[in-house]
This record gives sequence, structure tokens and C-alpha cells, in this order.
Amino acid sequence: QSALTQPASVSGSPGQSITISCTGTSSDIGDYNYVSWYQQYPGKAPKLMIYDVSNRPSGVSNRFSGSKSGNTASLTISGLQAEDEADYYCSSYTSSNIRVFGGGTKLTVL
Amino acid sequence: EVQLVESGGGLVQPGGSLRLSCAASGFTLSSYAMHWVRQAPGKGLEYVSAVSSNGVSTYYTNSVKGRFTISRDISKNTLYLQMVNLRAEDMAVYYCARGWRYCDYWGQGTLVTVSS
Repeated sequence: QSALTQPASVSGSPGQSITISCTGTSSDIGDYNYVSWYQQYPGKAPKLMIYDVSNRPSGVSNRFSGSKSGNTASLTISGLQAEDEADYYCSSYTSSNIRVFGGGTKLTVL
Repeated sequence: EVQLVESGGGLVQPGGSLRLSCAASGFTLSSYAMHWVRQAPGKGLEYVSAVSSNGVSTYYTNSVKGRFTISRDISKNTLYLQMVNLRAEDMAVYYCARGWRYCDYWGQGTLVTVSS
């Protein structure tokens, strides 16, 4: 049940694009298209931003996109805005029939 | 409107017990898998337990196996997490969340503090 690996922090200026990586193994990300991404503001509950690798729930801005290659998934935020500053977590289904989160990435909008 | 409201958190001594509740509205628990996810102060998210939509299958992270029990009361549309033999490392905000492959709705969380 090892956590997925995310960078601790990323930053970008308004209008730029950033990408957050999420690295797992062939027992989780590599074997299932069940990667999801969550946004969390301090003191608030997480919010689903991407599911099944690249699908956006209704109401989520199309500036958010997801992808996967091998054992690594990615979240890209384009046209960065101040309101995007938050913590982001990836998650994957695993061969142990459980789910696992990444350690989280703090996004700073400069 | 889908809503999840957790309750039952509080201060408990090491070795003590608590039962968390998650009251669901706007959907029927029997149609969805449900998760408990926790977040220790200043730390990341951690899946704790899950129950399948039919209630037959349950899952636990290794650190809580044998101490935590997930259950639900369909008549009350409420999810539970019974926690016994609590440890300092169980201290966290506990969220209930809906879904199997992903969690599309989350409660606001309830804080469990384990301290003597």
C-alpha cells in the first residue's frame, strides 16, 4: 500500500501552464485507467477534478486536464489563475483492490 | 442535492473507542460504494476503509485492520466507522466520500483527537 509519488510543490505565474506528475507502479497506475485527481483548499474537503485518467466532472473548468503514460499520470492546469492555488492529490485503484493517494502537491501561483 | 454529513469525532484517550457516522442525503447508500478517508494534521490524504455498493465487500488499510469496522444502515442511509484501540497516529480529520473508482462527493469531515 505504498503511496503514489508526487512533487511536494510546483509553482507558476498567472496565465502559464503547469503539470503535476504522479508516479506509481505496474500494480496501480500502470495497470488501471482509474486515476483521479483532487483539489483541496486549507481546512476544506477535497474536490474531484479529474476521474478515470482524463475525464472532468460537470462544473470543473476545462483548464484542468489529465493524462497517463505507463506508470505515471499527470494533471495539467492551463491558464493558471490565483484561485488554482491549492493542494492537489492523485489517487489510483490498485491490484490489492484498494485505493492509494499520492503525497500531495502544493501549487503556488506567483 | 447530494450531501454527506459526518459526526462522532472528538477527544479520546489512547486505547479508547469512537464511532463515526456519515449521514447521506440526495442519494441511496445501497446504490454506491463508500469510503472513509483521513487526513492527519498537516499531512496528506489516506484511504482508511471502503464498503462496496452491495455492502458485501469491505476493505481496510493495513494500519487499521482488526481495529476499525466499516458498516452502514440502509434504513437510516448512514455510513459508520467503528474505531477501537485508538492510537496517537489515528488522530486526523475523517471524511466520508462517495464512490468506488473515484470519490465524487465528500463530507466536511470530523476531527478525531487521540490524546491523554
